[in-house]
Amino acid sequence: DQQVKQNSPSLSVQEGRISILNCDYTNSMFDYFLWYKKYPAEGPTFLISISSIKDKNEDGRFTVFLNKSAKHLSLHIVPSQPGDSAVYFCAASAGNYGQNFVFGPGTRLSVLP
Amino acid sequence: GAVVSQHPSWVICKSGTSVKIECRSLDFQATTMFWYRQFPKQSLMLMATSNEGSKATYEQGVEKDKFLINHASLTLSTLTVTSAHPEDSSFYICSAEYMGQGNEKLFFGSGTQLSVL
Repeated sequence: DQQVKQNSPSLSVQEGRISILNCDYTNSMFDYFLWYKKYPAEGPTFLISISSIKDKNEDGRFTVFLNKSAKHLSLHIVPSQPGDSAVYFCAASAGNYGQNFVFGPGTRLSVLP
Repeated sequence: GAVVSQHPSWVICKSGTSVKIECRSLDFQATTMFWYRQFPKQSLMLMATSNEGSKATYEQGVEKDKFLINHASLTLSTLTVTSAHPEDSSFYICSAEYMGQGNEKLFFGSGTQLSVL
């Protein structure tokens, strides 16, 4: 049973437009969420995080929105750039860090020039 | 940010041999490190949690005798794939838990692509 879901395995967006990646979770105990970006044959790199006391966190072109009642978060990238093409994972944690992080299956984003 | 170094980045070995992968936290101490496995087009699957000075905790379905984990110091964890077989070919990634300031609590190594012939 997947606790963290990313229902879109892939997404294509035109350069300069907004990319919206979605993530849903089932465990109401999750209170800390992260987004990671991963290129092929490389380790994931951290993008942005949000704790459950907030509903929005922004860092440059990246904004994460959290809707606790819907158990839903989304990552917005605007404007999208070709270098953003990668697989994006959301991860959720309950209380303690590390061992409680559960990863979603990932969404492959392709930004078309 | 903090740096986690994983070595080697690519290894090819014959079936039946053992392969050791190292994961080092370069500028911070990590009591806890994690090992993941990723098959093509699939998510990161946590294999085990490596705790400094104690035995690793393995996820269900992961053979602890096949995937030996040693976390002998606060900056180094190793994963040894023993008697590797072609089905063990995969991308292995480690991460280290960071307890300092900042929003990033988990730093990842660059991964190791293992190919077993």
